[in-house]
Amino acid sequence: AQSVTQLDSQVPVFEEAPVELRCNYSSSVSVYLFWYVQYPNQGLQLLLKYLSGSTLVKGINGFEAEFNKSQTSFHLRKPSVHISDTAEYFCAVKSSGGYQKVTFGTGTKLQVIP
Amino acid sequence: DAGITQSPRHKVTETGTPVTLRCHQTENHRYMYWYRQDPGHGLRLIHYSYGVKDTDKGEVSDGYSVSRSKTEDFLLTLESATSSQTSVYFCAISESQRGPYEQYFGPGTRLTVT
Repeated sequence: AQSVTQLDSQVPVFEEAPVELRCNYSSSVSVYLFWYVQYPNQGLQLLLKYLSGSTLVKGINGFEAEFNKSQTSFHLRKPSVHISDTAEYFCAVKSSGGYQKVTFGTGTKLQVIP
Repeated sequence: DAGITQSPRHKVTETGTPVTLRCHQTENHRYMYWYRQDPGHGLRLIHYSYGVKDTDKGEVSDGYSVSRSKTEDFLLTLESATSSQTSVYFCAISESQRGPYEQYFGPGTRLTVT
């Protein structure tokens, strides 16, 4: 079984400040990891994904995430946020091998304060 | 953007009435999914399809049924709507469920059951 935990339901941050959104996962096998973003009244869109190889993954809009196998984490970071980054962010995990479904976290709302 | 549309985008219905939501894709992807999104729960899988006439249950399938008679269309039916089914419903598609294929999401349908 696989699971994903996003401990922070809301994260307020001032514009141009750095931000980290936390994601921890659980799985008995190796995994693929994803971050999705949902802007107000829209569907989810992929920010970035980790498949294998380099643990630092760069995505769209200046976001990056680091895979840490020993801590089973996949935290999302941005060095300087913009008002337009205000959205809800979802971490997702998919066990590798076979036909596995994706499990989504409960989401973190990022509120960028002017 | 992936070619995924959902209809209707908004619907208000009364308890006990049947409701059908439609998802249409132009990407010819094999896999299609229906999720519901509720505060504090993230996205939860209702049903999914891995081909025409091939469907399976997700984690919250009670009270829902699905049908897929064509590759491009995936219908979600609430057989007798209840207030607990008030939610935002998202359709998603994927090329495959084997491997690191991400999902692409539609814009969502906001359903209110009164």
